[in-house]
Amino acid sequence: QQPVQSPQAVILREGEDAVINCSSSKALYSVHWYRQKHGEAPIFLMILLKGGEQKGHDKISASFNEKKQQSSLYLTASQLSYSGTYFCGTEIGSSNTGKLIFGQGTTLQVKP
Amino acid sequence: EPEVTQTPSHQVTQMGQEVILRCVPISNHLYFYWYRQILGQKVEFLVSFYNNEISEKSEIFDDQFSVERPDGSNFTLKIRSTKLEDSAMYFCASSEKRGRGYTFGSGTRLTVV
Repeated sequence: QQPVQSPQAVILREGEDAVINCSSSKALYSVHWYRQKHGEAPIFLMILLKGGEQKGHDKISASFNEKKQQSSLYLTASQLSYSGTYFCGTEIGSSNTGKLIFGQGTTLQVKP
Repeated sequence: EPEVTQTPSHQVTQMGQEVILRCVPISNHLYFYWYRQILGQKVEFLVSFYNNEISEKSEIFDDQFSVERPDGSNFTLKIRSTKLEDSAMYFCASSEKRGRGYTFGSGTRLTVV
């Protein structure tokens, strides 16, 4: 039931791009993306609802392929502040509680 | 910007003791959650709470945990008979409604010795 994220870790230079993928075996109502820095709480980035929409937030955007139950997070022209662990959280369509199941996380390190 | 407040930030307890973790969700949020994160690992669901009752709970919840919303603002997680493996960061989160992002509190680091 836990979504699978890939890759597990990414190392980038400032200005490079990255893609983080999240895949579920369940029919989803929504996919959330969060970033967590060491010792801090996860911070909400964006949510994608079923319907295959793509959202953008500055240089961070995401897409959701409802047919494949997959979401991708795109980080373009990465900055040092992008470093952290990225989690996708999936909400199953049959649930109405808003409960999220989180992936295992993708650690992103951006170097100068 | 509205915050979810958690207290204490760090709690050390002896094995077998009971602990209560406290959370104040954002005032207009209707959905409340407890998650825990063992160091460096995934964020694990414990319980969801809506309309003053538990809406969903994880398999591990029944054995040791309970939640309350005693006064309409605080949201507490009680852990009975703590074990060493309960050592983790416990996060409270709230959401305005389904289809909206969570706001997480800063967490309580629980250390069981």
